[in-house]
Amino acid sequence: DQQVKQNSPSLSVQEGRISILNCDYTNSMFDYFLWYKKYPAEGPTFLISISSIKDKNEDGRFTVFLNKSAKHLSLHIVPSQPGDSAVYFCAASALGANNLFFGTGTRLTVIP
Amino acid sequence: DAGITQSPRHKVTETGTPVTLRCHQTENHRYMYWYRQDPGHGLRLIHYSYGVKDTDKGEVSDGYSVSRSKTEDFLLTLESATSSQTSVYFCAIRNRESTEAFFGQGTRLTVV
Repeated sequence: DQQVKQNSPSLSVQEGRISILNCDYTNSMFDYFLWYKKYPAEGPTFLISISSIKDKNEDGRFTVFLNKSAKHLSLHIVPSQPGDSAVYFCAASALGANNLFFGTGTRLTVIP
Repeated sequence: DAGITQSPRHKVTETGTPVTLRCHQTENHRYMYWYRQDPGHGLRLIHYSYGVKDTDKGEVSDGYSVSRSKTEDFLLTLESATSSQTSVYFCAIRNRESTEAFFGQGTRLTVV
């Protein structure tokens, strides 16, 4: 059973606009959430994270929002650039747990 | 970049043959993971290790075994490869809980 879900397989956005990628989770024990970016033929690279004690974390053009009551997180990219075109995975882990659970990914295409 | 190397990067093998994939790290991280990436499934955990000789199963462990005899090396073995194990395999390392994991470049395995 998928504990981390990304229900949008793909998203297209115009350059300069905001990209919003969504992620839902089912396990209330998750307390640390991450976003990864993946280009073709490369391994995923870490982008940004947030712990459950926060509801927002910002790093440059990237902001992650966490809504614990809804078990939902989102990644905002502003402004979107063509180089942001990639597959984005969200991931989650629980305190004391050894492993990370990943969603199925969302392919973002930023149109110049 | 995290010092993590996967070998081989590409492999074609025949059904029924044994295959071993290697992950080598130079970061002295405690946790090591093997994931597989398949269309529509995202990244799924096969096995992971939380120390030398300490390993545990992930969500798709059937048909796979692992070994970790040294901190720096984590081996994934397919005892008898099947076509359903055609996939891209990623190794990841992590220092401790509530931190990001770093991924290798991946191994594309084709079982014919």
